Amino acid sequence: GAGVSQSPSNKVTEKGKDVELRCDPISGHTALYWYRQSLGQGLEFLIYFQGNSAPDKSGLPSDRFSAERTGGSVSTLTIQRTQQEDSAVYLCASSLTGGASDEQFFGPGTRLTVL
Amino acid sequence: DQQVKQNSPSLSVQEGRISILNCDYTNSMFDYFLWYKKYPAEGPTFLISISSIKDKNEDGRFTVFLNKSAKHLSLHIVPSQPGDSAVYFCAAKGLSSGSARQLTFGSGTQLTVLP
Repeated sequence: GAGVSQSPSNKVTEKGKDVELRCDPISGHTALYWYRQSLGQGLEFLIYFQGNSAPDKSGLPSDRFSAERTGGSVSTLTIQRTQQEDSAVYLCASSLTGGASDEQFFGPGTRLTVL
Repeated sequence: DQQVKQNSPSLSVQEGRISILNCDYTNSMFDYFLWYKKYPAEGPTFLISISSIKDKNEDGRFTVFLNKSAKHLSLHIVPSQPGDSAVYFCAAKGLSSGSARQLTFGSGTQLTVLP
């Protein structure tokens, strides 16, 4: 079946502009995660959605970052007033139940470049 | 403060030989460990995991060893094949803690298997 998809695959923007990144999880997966990978770094957790529960936003680096998950499926990560340090690959993952030992399936990522 | 560390950014081995990738962690709350493999322009894919109640888990050519007292784990690939060339990420989570769902990743090791 289809895996996790993300769009766009690449995004180049100017400093100060807003960007929206989209994630389509695997159908039927109730849990959705956003991570980012900056150059030379590991993946950094940003936010987690599980069903209708309040999201875990503990990884968001600043209030310029926000995310929504509409209808328990598609998610959008929004970065307002982008800064050069926001340049990274943003990865989305989903898992079936969000259980602690559930496997997370990753999308291909969106490479964001802020000029 | 990196809680999961992969100190070798790259490793080259000859086809047919053993590849050993290392990972250290500092958070004693971590009790579940995973290895992910990542090809360019693709998301990470799950490879193998180990719970802290074990010290070894084997799956085909891949074996993960866990040394809890040293807070160290390693991934052994034997025999190594050119198709194993990828970036390998070590990840950890604390199943019994409140943040069990999110993964904490190392910075990755680029493995190159030479034919």
